Amino acid sequence: KAGVTQTPRYLIKTRGQQVTLSCSPISGHRSVSWYQQTPGQGLQFLFEYFSETQRNKGNFPGRFSGRQFSNSRSEMNVSTLELGDSALYLCASSLAGISSGAYGYTFGSGTRLTVV
Amino acid sequence: QQQVKQSPQSLIVQKGGISIINCAYENTAFDYFPWYQQFPGKGPALLIAIRPDVSEKKEGRFTISFNKSAKQFSLHIMDSQPGDSATYFCAASQGNDMRFGAGTRLTVKP
Repeated sequence: KAGVTQTPRYLIKTRGQQVTLSCSPISGHRSVSWYQQTPGQGLQFLFEYFSETQRNKGNFPGRFSGRQFSNSRSEMNVSTLELGDSALYLCASSLAGISSGAYGYTFGSGTRLTVV
Repeated sequence: QQQVKQSPQSLIVQKGGISIINCAYENTAFDYFPWYQQFPGKGPALLIAIRPDVSEKKEGRFTISFNKSAKQFSLHIMDSQPGDSATYFCAASQGNDMRFGAGTRLTVKP
């Protein structure tokens, strides 16, 4: 059974540009959550999508957005990149979200974004 | 605002020793408390999880102790091995909203 696939694995962008990251969940999973991981802040929740609808949102500026497609694949977009956006971006997929338990809540290996 | 506070930031333990990582939470609405292990270049992987209606849960060498009145929970790794060297995160969730601690980098020396 394939795991959660995030692409690309590494990305270097210039300040002011925008970026789109992709997450393909485990087959059958309908919930995709996104997290930003930095050494100083740890894992910060960005947003969660379930059946193409944003169900939860963390405390990030509007430059961070996402969407989910009918096949449950999700993308997140960051516009007007800032140096502080450099981080590991992780997505996690599950059948119905963390409320249904952590044993089916699976993280991908992340996309390492560097903003220069 | 850090809703889950984790300590220590880093921990060095000798092989065969016990590793203990502590977490405290503020929101009493949290009703699920997983622990994750992360190796470099990988995403976090679930180790063990507990709900607040039990005070302890053990899976192999990993044990969660939970103190609901103190709003604290901890991870104990018995007989720590060099292969356990990783970053550990506690988490707390309510519904589909999960918050993480800042992480503990564990080094187990041979």
